[in-house]
Amino acid sequence: GESVGLHLPTLSVQEGDNSIINCAYSNSASDYFIWYKQESGKGPQFIIDIRSNMDKRQGQRVTVLLNKTVKHLSLQIAATQPGDSAVYFCAEITNTDKLIFGTGTRLQVFP
Amino acid sequence: NAGVMQNPRHLVRRRGQEARLRCSPMKGHSHVYWYRQLPEEGLKFMVYLQKENIIDESGMPKERFSAEFPKEGPSILRIQQVVRGDSAAYFCASSRYQGASRNEQFFGPGTRLTVL
Repeated sequence: GESVGLHLPTLSVQEGDNSIINCAYSNSASDYFIWYKQESGKGPQFIIDIRSNMDKRQGQRVTVLLNKTVKHLSLQIAATQPGDSAVYFCAEITNTDKLIFGTGTRLQVFP
Repeated sequence: NAGVMQNPRHLVRRRGQEARLRCSPMKGHSHVYWYRQLPEEGLKFMVYLQKENIIDESGMPKERFSAEFPKEGPSILRIQQVVRGDSAAYFCASSRYQGASRNEQFFGPGTRLTVL
């Protein structure tokens, strides 16, 4: 992906394995968080969200965990597939409705 | 049901020229956000607009950058007298509602600006 550069943290997993992508956020007052997937040459795509009154939320093959004590989010992808290869960003919504994105993690899936 | 549309997808400008980036939000969405993604970085918020109003421009550079979202037509991000450091991908997002708990933002495909 030319838009996200070459120096992002990279997670390499084998097809079929589970992936865990981590993210730290900065604002303890943030109450809504989103995980986005960005494929090469495309805009971010919504994956799953979670509100601060929850610790865990599950979607199809994805689970987001929120630890407010240490301001940490994780995204778990079950049975990772080649189509999951992308850069993943966590984002927090501020009280003024703007998204603050984390650094991003590149997920590479090998056959 | 078209998503967020941005044009052009790729824009090449020489230093000193003007760049105009357009964003048409999803149908029924009246909130538009612009983000910039520099190489090797995540997306950074620039500006949040509703129809005819700038709500939050805290991420906009003080000079050369402006944004509008007129009553009719797309939102426009304008960069005057471009410099090489403006080379980046510019993404637009739109949402239907306001408020953190209901603020799912849908992103367009982006405009990749290259300044020669």
